[in-house]
Amino acid sequence: QSVLTQPPSVSGAPGQRVTISCTGSSSNIGAGYDVHWYQQLPGTAPKLLIYGNSNRPSGVPDRFSGSKSGTSASLAITGLQAEDEADYYCQSYDSSLSGWFGGGTKLTVL
Amino acid sequence: QVQLQESGPGLVKPSETLSLTCTVSGGSISSYYWSWIRQPPGKGLEWIGYIYYSGSTNYNPSLKSRVTISVDTSKNQFSLKLSSVTAADTAVYYCARRIEYYDILTGYQYYFDYWGQGTLVTVSS
Repeated sequence: QSVLTQPPSVSGAPGQRVTISCTGSSSNIGAGYDVHWYQQLPGTAPKLLIYGNSNRPSGVPDRFSGSKSGTSASLAITGLQAEDEADYYCQSYDSSLSGWFGGGTKLTVL
Repeated sequence: QVQLQESGPGLVKPSETLSLTCTVSGGSISSYYWSWIRQPPGKGLEWIGYIYYSGSTNYNPSLKSRVTISVDTSKNQFSLKLSSVTAADTAVYYCARRIEYYDILTGYQYYFDYWGQGTLVTVSS
C-alpha cells in the first residue's frame, strides 16, 4: 500500500482541463519532498513528465503542469487530447527512508 | 540520447532465482545511479533497488533479503538477481536511470529520467 494516494481514474473530453491529485502526509510531501510525475501510455514504459514539482523535461508539451501545496500535489493537463489517455503516477520520498510511487491514475479521454 | 535495454529469461520456476541485465547505450554508466522497478500485471510501480556506478547499493526493505544488484562498468551494464521467487514476483521489470539531487531543506531526493522498455518475467512451473 502506497503512502501516496491518487484517484484510480479521471476523465475529460477533448480540449478540457483535468487535474490528478497526489495526496501524502507530513512525512513525505508535507515535509518538503518534491513530487515527480510519470506518464505510462498503454503497453509502454513510464516516461518522466514532471520533475521537482513543476519542471518539464525537454519535449514535454506545456499543456502539462505540476504544482504542490501542503501535503498534496497536482498534475494538470489542459487542452486534453486523445493521445493523453494513459496511466499517470506520482513519486516522492518519505522520511521512512523509502521512495514511493502513487497507486496510479487512469486518464480516460471521452 | 541514453537508452536502456533489459534482457533475461521470461520464465522462471518458483523458488529459483530471477536474473536480468540492463544494458545502457548512448551514454556512460559512470557518475549515475541505476535502478530496477517492477510492475505486476494490471498494478502499480514498485521500486526494487538501486546501485551507484561505484557499486554501492540500496534496496526496498520489503525485498532486501532476496535482492542483489550489481554493476559492470566495462560493459555499461547493471544486473538484478531476485532469489526464491514466487508467483507474486511475476511482473514487468524495468531498469531506469535515477537522478539524485540535493535539497538544502530535505536532503537528497531523486527521480527517474530514462527507462528501459521493460521485460515481462513470469514465475511458473
